[in-house]
Amino acid sequence: QVQLQESGPGLVKPSETLSLTCTVSGGSVSSGSDYWNWIRQPPGKGLEWIGYIYYSGRTNYNSSLKSRVTMSIDTSKNQFSLRLSSVTAADTAVYYCARAQGIEYFHHWGQGTLVSVSS
Amino acid sequence: QSVLTQPPSASATPGQRVTISCSGSSSSIGSNPVSWYQQFPGTAPKLLMYNDNQRPSGVPDRFSGSKSGTSASLAISGLQSEDEADYYCATWDDSLNGWVFGGGTKLTVL
Repeated sequence: QVQLQESGPGLVKPSETLSLTCTVSGGSVSSGSDYWNWIRQPPGKGLEWIGYIYYSGRTNYNSSLKSRVTMSIDTSKNQFSLRLSSVTAADTAVYYCARAQGIEYFHHWGQGTLVSVSS
Repeated sequence: QSVLTQPPSASATPGQRVTISCSGSSSSIGSNPVSWYQQFPGTAPKLLMYNDNQRPSGVPDRFSGSKSGTSASLAISGLQSEDEADYYCATWDDSLNGWVFGGGTKLTVL
């Protein structure tokens, strides 16, 4: 059973960079059929897709966040990461990493990690 | 405002059937498979339905999905108290070149 686990600081100051890592177990980020995604959910609100990275390093970001997002993948550690720069309070959310079967569905999710942006 | 439109709330009594709609466009629902996710407070979303009407292993057959044109629906029959949760639809949007979600529907079992 594939499991995903997010890790990273729970508090980030405004204008700084949010950095999160997702560690995958029970499966490989090198799988050619999987896309590795980041999704966030502001408190009390709905889900927003941030972007995905493929094992080759190819990325695709939500156009609304594209200028601030960088994703990377480390196949040796079976991890992938998110960096979101110049954060504001509007970036406060639970951040989920999720494994997607192509562009069909998200079949595994991490438990989520709350990141608050505050001075 | 979400790209996919869902009613913010739905309610029914135990044993009844409830349907949650999800409206999109030709570039989203009209062109790509729809998936549905169930989310309980404080937990991650869980895949409930994929490829419009396929249930993952372990999902009761009380849950069913359908799609017609640019709209999709999730139906829950024989409603149970444990079905009280938030439900989200999602699909790929060819025009946006990204995933889009519905705003979510909070289901209350009266």
